Amino acid sequence: AQSVTQLGSHVSVSEGALVLLRCNYSSSVPPYLFWYVQYPNQGLQLLLKYTTGATLVKGINGFEAEFKKSETSFHLTKPSAHMSDAAEYFCAVSDQGYQKVTFGTGTKLQVIP
Amino acid sequence: GAGVSQSPSNKVTEKGKDVELRCDPISGHTALYWYRQSLGQGLEFLIYFQGNSAPDKSGLPSDRFSAERTGGSVSTLTIQRTQQEDSAVYLCASSLGQAEETQYFGPGTRLLVL
Repeated sequence: AQSVTQLGSHVSVSEGALVLLRCNYSSSVPPYLFWYVQYPNQGLQLLLKYTTGATLVKGINGFEAEFKKSETSFHLTKPSAHMSDAAEYFCAVSDQGYQKVTFGTGTKLQVIP
Repeated sequence: GAGVSQSPSNKVTEKGKDVELRCDPISGHTALYWYRQSLGQGLEFLIYFQGNSAPDKSGLPSDRFSAERTGGSVSTLTIQRTQQEDSAVYLCASSLGQAEETQYFGPGTRLLVL
């Protein structure tokens, strides 16, 4: 069975500071990993995903995430936070060959001016 | 092209009534997913369809919940005898069908049970 844990339901950073949102997963087979973002009053959209190949994945709006198998992690980072990054971020996992996608409980990012 | 659409966008109902929520996926997407988003609960998986078949119904909270998909396209989520705890945003997503594919989400239906 697959599962996702997102540490911290709320994270606050200052504008210009590093953004780090943590995600750990469990999966019995090599996983596919995703980060989705939900801006206020908008639907969820894909930020980035890891399927195979390079473990450092770059997404939209300057975000990136690194798949670390040994740590079962897929943390999301951005070097410099912008006010427009304020949103809720969801980490998700699916097992190869199995279509169900399991989402974490989400992390709300607040960016302080 | 058109994205995933859901109707109604908002639904207010009385406890005990039945409701139907509709999802129109992106044309050509074979996989369709239903989720429930409650305050502080993240996205709770309900069911997914591959074509018209539902290989995994494990997320349906009770036998009051059912879903169907016809013609490999439109899907309907039905909640019978609604309860106040059913109040949530119900999200639909579709994808090309493989596990690694991106899911495209609709705007959701906000359900309030009084």
